Amino acid sequence: KQEVTQIPAALSVPEGENLVLNCSFTDSAIYNLQWFRQDPGKGLTSLLLIQSSQREQTSGRLNASLDKSSGRSTLYIAASQPGDSATYLCAVTAQGGSEKLVFGKGTKLTVNP
Amino acid sequence: NAGVMQNPRHLVRRRGQEARLRCSPVKGHSHVYWYRQLPEEGLKFMVYLQKENIIDESGMPKERFSAEFPKEGPSILRIQQVVRGDSAAYFCASSPPTGVENTIYFGEGSWLTVV
Repeated sequence: KQEVTQIPAALSVPEGENLVLNCSFTDSAIYNLQWFRQDPGKGLTSLLLIQSSQREQTSGRLNASLDKSSGRSTLYIAASQPGDSATYLCAVTAQGGSEKLVFGKGTKLTVNP
Repeated sequence: NAGVMQNPRHLVRRRGQEARLRCSPVKGHSHVYWYRQLPEEGLKFMVYLQKENIIDESGMPKERFSAEFPKEGPSILRIQQVVRGDSAAYFCASSPPTGVENTIYFGEGSWLTVV
């Protein structure tokens, strides 16, 4: 059974700092991995999707890496801003045609002005 | 192009009542998923539907919960005889037919409170 763990559960940083969020998964047979952002009382916004054959994806100040063999992914946020404050969720899709996502519990990020 | 629309956004039900949550997918999307987020927990998969078919319901509780995605109209998640433990945020997501693209879009959720 696939399990996804995110560390830390919460993180508070001053504005401008670069930071890394971590995600690990127990079954390396994944189809892809996604990072989402969730604001309080809101739905999820997809930030980056990494296919199992890829090593990283970048979008603006965000960079996500994937090491499938070790079951790890990181989300790097450069020059953090207060508007980055949200919960960041990591989710994997299994190989074999299943399209359901297995989520971690998220990292709650607070960027202080 | 409207995103995934869920309603109601907030719903209060007394124990024993029924809750119906509706989800209209992105136009052109034929795959719908329901996820549940309990307080302090991650999102958990409940069910995956295509038009008129349940593809995977491995995450659905065995009793009181049902889902449908009819040929016409929104997908419905129905919870009968609600209990306090059903209080959660229920998220719907949709994706296009397989092979078109593999991005999934989430709605803003329906928050169910059972009193």
